[in-house]
Amino acid sequence: DSGVTQTPKHLITATGQRVTLRCSPRSGDLSVYWYQQSLDQGLQFLIHYYNGEERAKGNILERFSAQQFPDLHSELNLSSLELGDSALYFCASSVEITQETQYFGPGTRLLVL
Amino acid sequence: GIQVEQSPPDLILQEGANSTLRCNFSDSVNNLQWFHQNPWGQLINLFYIPSGTKQNGRLSATTVATERYSLLYISSSQTTDSGVYFCAVVYFGNEKLTFGTGTRLTIIP
Repeated sequence: DSGVTQTPKHLITATGQRVTLRCSPRSGDLSVYWYQQSLDQGLQFLIHYYNGEERAKGNILERFSAQQFPDLHSELNLSSLELGDSALYFCASSVEITQETQYFGPGTRLLVL
Repeated sequence: GIQVEQSPPDLILQEGANSTLRCNFSDSVNNLQWFHQNPWGQLINLFYIPSGTKQNGRLSATTVATERYSLLYISSSQTTDSGVYFCAVVYFGNEKLTFGTGTRLTIIP
C-alpha cells in the first residue's frame, strides 16, 4: 500500500459525459501528479500540482482539468468524454518536487462506451 | 526527443531463473524509478535510484548515470514476479516522470 488513495476504482460511462476522479496523497506530501495509461500511448504525464498551485502540464486535453484543494487532495475532471479517453488514470504524490520518489495510487479504470 | 528505452520488450523465463532488465535514457536525470505493474494494474515502487546500486531481497538495481543506463536484476524468479516492469526518469529541468515502454516478464512454473 503506497498510502495514495484514488476513487473510484472503476468507472463506466457514456460518450459525452463528465466524470471526476479523486486522489488523496500520502500524509505530508505536497505534490500531486496525474498520469494516464492507455494501450496506444503508454504511461503519460498529465499535470502536476504542488501545494495547491499548478506546476506543470503535459499532454492534457483541453477537455480535462484538475485542481488541488487546501487539504491537498486533488480532482481530475474529464468532460465531453470520447471512446479514446478509456484508460487507467493514476495519481502519484511526493513530498516535494523532482528529486523525490513518486508514490502511485491504485488507479481509476475508466471505460467510455 | 527525450526517450526512455527498455529492453527486452518481452521475457519468458522458468521459475527460479535470473533476469536482467535494461533502461537507457537520453539525457541527464535527477530521478530514476523502477516499477512493477502487476496483472491487476497496480504500479508498485521497486527502487528510487538516480545513481548507484540498491538491493531489496531478490531484486537489485544499478544506475550508471554518466553512461545513461540502469539495470534491474531479478534473481530466483517466482511466478508472482510476472507483470510489466517500467523504468521512469525525471530529466533535469523537468518535474514529470517519463516512462519507458516496459518489459513484460512472464514466469512459468
